[in-house]
Amino acid sequence: DAKTTQPTSMDCAEGRAANLPCNHSTISGNEYVYWYRQIHSQGPQYIIHGLKNNETNEMASLIITEDRKSSTLILPHATLRDTAVYYCIVSPSKNAGNMLTFGGGTRLMVKP
Amino acid sequence: DSGVTQTPKHLITATGQRVTLRCSPRSGDLSVYWYQQSLDQGLQFLIQYYNGEERAKGNILERFSAQQFPDLHSELNLSSLELGDSALYFCASSVFGSGSSYNEQFFGPGTRLTVL
Repeated sequence: DAKTTQPTSMDCAEGRAANLPCNHSTISGNEYVYWYRQIHSQGPQYIIHGLKNNETNEMASLIITEDRKSSTLILPHATLRDTAVYYCIVSPSKNAGNMLTFGGGTRLMVKP
Repeated sequence: DSGVTQTPKHLITATGQRVTLRCSPRSGDLSVYWYQQSLDQGLQFLIQYYNGEERAKGNILERFSAQQFPDLHSELNLSSLELGDSALYFCASSVFGSGSSYNEQFFGPGTRLTVL
């Protein structure tokens, strides 16, 4: 599975957009990019995923570069409740199982 | 609320003991996953079951075992416990077992295991 690289931590002002980058330069053609977040020792929560097109849902937007080697998760109007560790995960669409391989993630601190 | 339930919430036990963690997946989900989260190792995949059968195995110790029952609930058994087994244990469930682009997993609240 492709590895991901994320900044260890980021700060964002409440109400502003939070842009969380992820590098996955070894991603292969059939691998999807998934984002999950974990709020203070709660179970991780799915946010969004994509293959090559940009995606948007009620929680966030996912921008994937044309070469698919990096992506950015955008929280358009961050709130204090968005303070969490955000994990970028590359998951193959076809493998023996659907396990998620979590890296260190980015600790996002939203400040008032 | 993800719809995944885990019991117990907290468990305190001694080294050498054996414990059982229980997970009930979301209604309709056939896959159950177990993950361990410790301070030094982060979130690690342990094992996956799909419709009662083992589907994938991660870094699960031989002292640990799991099963999924006909009603789809799952149990993770940890034996000969060591101090280093202290961690949060999460169960997750999903509709699919493999080969799907839609890999949304729903996580339970976790069981915090403390081994003294």
